[in-house]
Amino acid sequence: GAVVSQHPSWVICKSGTSVKIECRSLDFQATTMFWYRQFPKQSLMLMATSNEGSKATYEQGVEKDKFLINHASLTLSTLTVTSAHPEDSSFYICSAREDRQETQYFGPGTRLLVL
Amino acid sequence: AQTVTQSQPEMSVQEAETVTLSCTYDTSESDYYLFWYKQPPSRQMILVIRQEAYKQQNATENRFSVNFQKAAKSFSLKISDSQLGDAAMYFCAYRSGAAGNKLTFGGGTRVLVKP
Repeated sequence: GAVVSQHPSWVICKSGTSVKIECRSLDFQATTMFWYRQFPKQSLMLMATSNEGSKATYEQGVEKDKFLINHASLTLSTLTVTSAHPEDSSFYICSAREDRQETQYFGPGTRLLVL
Repeated sequence: AQTVTQSQPEMSVQEAETVTLSCTYDTSESDYYLFWYKQPPSRQMILVIRQEAYKQQNATENRFSVNFQKAAKSFSLKISDSQLGDAAMYFCAYRSGAAGNKLTFGGGTRVLVKP
């Protein structure tokens, strides 16, 4: 089956630092990847759609300068949380849509804690 | 915009029994896909089942089956012979048939399985 990896699985950082999260599709090509944020006991909130070779599309209310997305290849998208603050602490999940299918496959998520 | 509603915040089922999770959605499109994802305590999102709107036949995956009522815009999930490993959050999701479109998630239903 289609596998998506995320790295790191958890990260603790100091306020003001930047954190990069990687999302990789391991056995398929993904022109389109998605980044979600999930607060405890809540549903997934789409932050942005990442397209290989072009700029990401951000959802309303998501600061594009705060959450930088780079989709440099058909198997890798990165999310960088710039100048992280405690309110950015959350669970970040990526997903990748296989180009020949209509299904999104999810990574295992990254827990971010900003002190 | 499409909306997905899961009216049951939590459902409890006895092991080996059957439980049905409800999901309704609102759309003006005729071409779309519906999904059920499972999120266990590990928080890894796992695809349970998918349904193409153009297919009249209800999708089935082992102990999981759906009741897709297109006219009523209803997409319920039935878990038969419930097992302890079925305990998780279950999210219903909608995806437009247009290429590259994002998933819209419902609020989720927590399933508890009693031994």
